[in-house]
Amino acid sequence: GAGVSQSPSNKVTEKGKDVELRCDPISGHTALYWYRQSLGQGLEFLIYFQGNSAPDKSGLPSDRFSAERTGGSVSTLTIQRTQQEDSAVYLCASSLAGAGGYNEQFFGPGTRLTVL
Amino acid sequence: AQSVAQPEDQVNVAEGNPLTVKCTYSVSGNPYLFWYVQYPNRGLQFLLKYITGDNLVKGSYGFEAEFNKSQTSFHLKKPSALVSDSALYFCAVRDGGATNKLIFGTGTLLAVQP
Repeated sequence: GAGVSQSPSNKVTEKGKDVELRCDPISGHTALYWYRQSLGQGLEFLIYFQGNSAPDKSGLPSDRFSAERTGGSVSTLTIQRTQQEDSAVYLCASSLAGAGGYNEQFFGPGTRLTVL
Repeated sequence: AQSVAQPEDQVNVAEGNPLTVKCTYSVSGNPYLFWYVQYPNRGLQFLLKYITGDNLVKGSYGFEAEFNKSQTSFHLKKPSALVSDSALYFCAVRDGGATNKLIFGTGTLLAVQP
């Protein structure tokens, strides 16, 4: 079946511009995660959605970052007024929901963001 | 706080030899541990996980991992390395909070020489 898809695969933008990154999770997966992978910080958690519950935004690095998930499926990560330190690969993952968190997460190919 | 450590930035091994990629963890409570592999310009691919049960876990592509509670380790192993195994490997532990987010190690680059 189809895996997690992300678009665009690459995004180059100028400092100060806003960007939107999209994630389409595996059908039936109610849990959705955004992570960021950068040279200096490694892989870090950004935000988590589970069904209709309020998202866990504890990993968002600043108020310039926001995300939404519409209809319990597609998610959009928005970065406003981008800065050069936002340059990274943004990874989306989804999983089946399960008590205890034993289900593995499936990752998309990522969006490479470059802020000039 | 939950954490994992991958003490080696890079592991070099000759094709056909056994390989080990090391991971140690620090958790409160029972650890849920995962290994992922990342090929160049690709996302992370799930290899295997330890939740409970047998300490030796078998996963994809011939990989296995041994959970050792006394040494708080979860080393990834393969009996015979292939050149195609060359990639970046990440160990991860489930965070103990409600989100079940993953806490990743810094990654180990595995280079298999022909």
